[in-house]
Amino acid sequence: AQSVTQPDIHITVSEGASLELRCNYSYGATPYLFWYVQSPGQGLQLLLKYFSGDTLVQGIKGFEAEFKRSQSSFNLRKPSVHWSDAAEYFCAVGGHSGGYQKVTFGIGTKLQVIP
Amino acid sequence: NAGVTQTPKFRILKIGQSMTLQCTQDMNHNYMYWYRQDPGMGLKLIYYSVGAGITDKGEVPNGYNVSRSTTEDFPLRLELAAPSQTSVYFCASRTGDSRETQYFGPGTRLLVL
Repeated sequence: AQSVTQPDIHITVSEGASLELRCNYSYGATPYLFWYVQSPGQGLQLLLKYFSGDTLVQGIKGFEAEFKRSQSSFNLRKPSVHWSDAAEYFCAVGGHSGGYQKVTFGIGTKLQVIP
Repeated sequence: NAGVTQTPKFRILKIGQSMTLQCTQDMNHNYMYWYRQDPGMGLKLIYYSVGAGITDKGEVPNGYNVSRSTTEDFPLRLELAAPSQTSVYFCASRTGDSRETQYFGPGTRLLVL
C-alpha cells in the first residue's frame, strides 16, 4: 500500500531563511509525487509535481523539490522564505490502483514564519 | 472559469439530520473526488467518480453517499449526521491523465452537534 510520511508537523523559520520540508513515501513503482499548499480557510493548491525525468522540479512561488529514489524522499525547498509562505504544506503520492488514480496525502506540515 | 465550487461554506447540523454538500466543476473533468480533512490526519478519500454514472468508495465511505448524473456535479450526501462527521470536506477534480493535478474547491466546514 502506498503511504506518505511528513515527519515534521510544525516548523518555524525566520523570514529570509531557507526552508526544507521533508517527505518520505512508500510506493511499489515509480510514483507520481505532489506538493500542495493550503492557506487558512482555503482549498489545496498545487506547488509542483514529479512523475518522470529531471529529479529536481521547479514549482510556483519559488519552491523546488528533489526526488531521491534511493531515499524514497521528495523534500520541498525554498532558499528564502517570505511571510506569505506561512501555510500548511501537504506531500502526496499518486499511482494507479485497480484502474484509478489513488492519491495518498501526508498529514501536513504547518509552517510558521517569524519576522 | 470558476474551477471547482462548493456549497455551503459552513453548516451546523444536529445529530440525525441529513444534508447534501454540493460540488460543481466547469473544467469538463471526468474524475471527481470527495475528501474529508481532520486536524493532524491529512486528507482522507471518501468517494470518487471517473465519469458520469460511475462512482466508487474510497478509504472512509461509511455514512456517506454520492451520485454523478452529470460531468459537472458530484454531490455528497450525509443521511444521518453523527458527531464523527464533523470535518472540513473538499471536492476535487482532474482530467483523465494520472500525472495531472487535482483541482480543489474551497471546502465546506461541517459541524455536527
